[in-house]
This record gives sequence, structure tokens and C-alpha cells, in this order.
Amino acid sequence: GENVEQHPSTLSVQEGDSAVIKCTYSDSASNYFPWYKQELGKRPQLIIDIRSNVGEKKDQRIAVTLNKTAKHFSLHITETQPEDSAVYFCAAPRSGSARQLTFGSGTQLTVLP
Amino acid sequence: GAGVSQSPRYKVAKRGQDVALRCDPISGHVSLFWYQQALGQGPEFLTYFQNEAQLDKSGLPSDRFFAERPEGSVSTLKIQRTQQEDSAVYLCASSFGQGYGYTFGSGTRLTVV
Repeated sequence: GENVEQHPSTLSVQEGDSAVIKCTYSDSASNYFPWYKQELGKRPQLIIDIRSNVGEKKDQRIAVTLNKTAKHFSLHITETQPEDSAVYFCAAPRSGSARQLTFGSGTQLTVLP
Repeated sequence: GAGVSQSPRYKVAKRGQDVALRCDPISGHVSLFWYQQALGQGPEFLTYFQNEAQLDKSGLPSDRFFAERPEGSVSTLKIQRTQQEDSAVYLCASSFGQGYGYTFGSGTRLTVV
């Protein structure tokens, strides 16, 4: 099965700075990599995802990059704002192309005003 | 409804009590997933349905856990003889077809005392 490792576990940045969260995965057959944002006491929400046929995807201030050779992918948030403060989870298919996901352990991002 | 609905929102059970957690997915979503999220951790896969068929239950931690989706819409996760280690948030997610685009519900926070 898939093993997903995420770091850092906590990240504090000043408002306006960039934040980067990294994940590694073990199954080379994995082909889909989503990122979820979870605010305290709320549901995880999909914020961006990438498939293995592309190396980068952007959506306004958020981008995800994928390095299939090294089996890692990263979330980049630019011009951070206090409302970006939350726990972010990466995920990968539980095994190969399965629809079930294995999640990382999460990164608590705090954006300081 | 517009989203995935879960009930109850909170449940306190005495150790040894049976509980039933309900998930009402987005109308028309074929795939339904149950995840368990312990405090400070990422969601962990429990079981997966495609319509009424339970295709994967490999994540269920013991035979005290049982899930069903008899008509391919609403699903129930049942936990028998609850134990303290069952305390967690139980998240339900659904997706259209066999796609990856999960929508999570707000979860049921189960506390076993």
C-alpha cells in the first residue's frame, strides 16, 4: 500500500510571505495527488489537485508541483493571508490507481498578521 | 442537499454501547467513503462503496465495525461494543462516478467514555 509522509508538521509565516509544504509517496503507480485544507472543527476541503501527467498546476495563489522521479509533490501558497491559517493535508491513492486515499499527517499553517 | 450530510454531529457513548452513524451523500454520487480521523492526525480510510456494493472494507479496524449502503444512497457506519480507542471524528465522503473529487461531510465526533 501507499505510504505518504508530510513535512513540516507546523509552519508559521508572516502575512504576505510564501509557504511551502512537501510530501513524499512510495507507490510509483500513484497517479493523483490532492491537497486538502481543514479549518478547526470543519470538514477537509479540496483546494487543488494534480495528476501524474503534468508537473505543475496553479490556481491563483496556490500551486502544486510534482516530481514523479523523486516521488514527491509540494504545495506552494504565495502572498499568504491570515485566512490561509489551517491544517493542510496531502494525499495519494491508497494503492496504485485506487480511489481510496492515504493522507499525510498534516501541516498546521499559521499566518501571522 | 447541496453537500454531504452526516448525523449526529456529536455522539457520546458509554464504553460497550453500540452506535450508528449516518451519511447522506450528494445526490447521484456513486462512490461513498468512510474515514476515521483521530485528533491531530490525517483521515484514515475505513471502507468504500460503489453504489450499494462494498468494494473495499480493508480499513475497518475490527469486526466491531460494520458499514452498509443498502439502496446505494444513504450509508450507515455501525460500531458495536464501543471502546475508548474508537473516539475520533468519522468522516464520510462521496464522489461522482469513480472520480477522485471527494466532497467530505462535516463528520461525526464520537467520544467513548
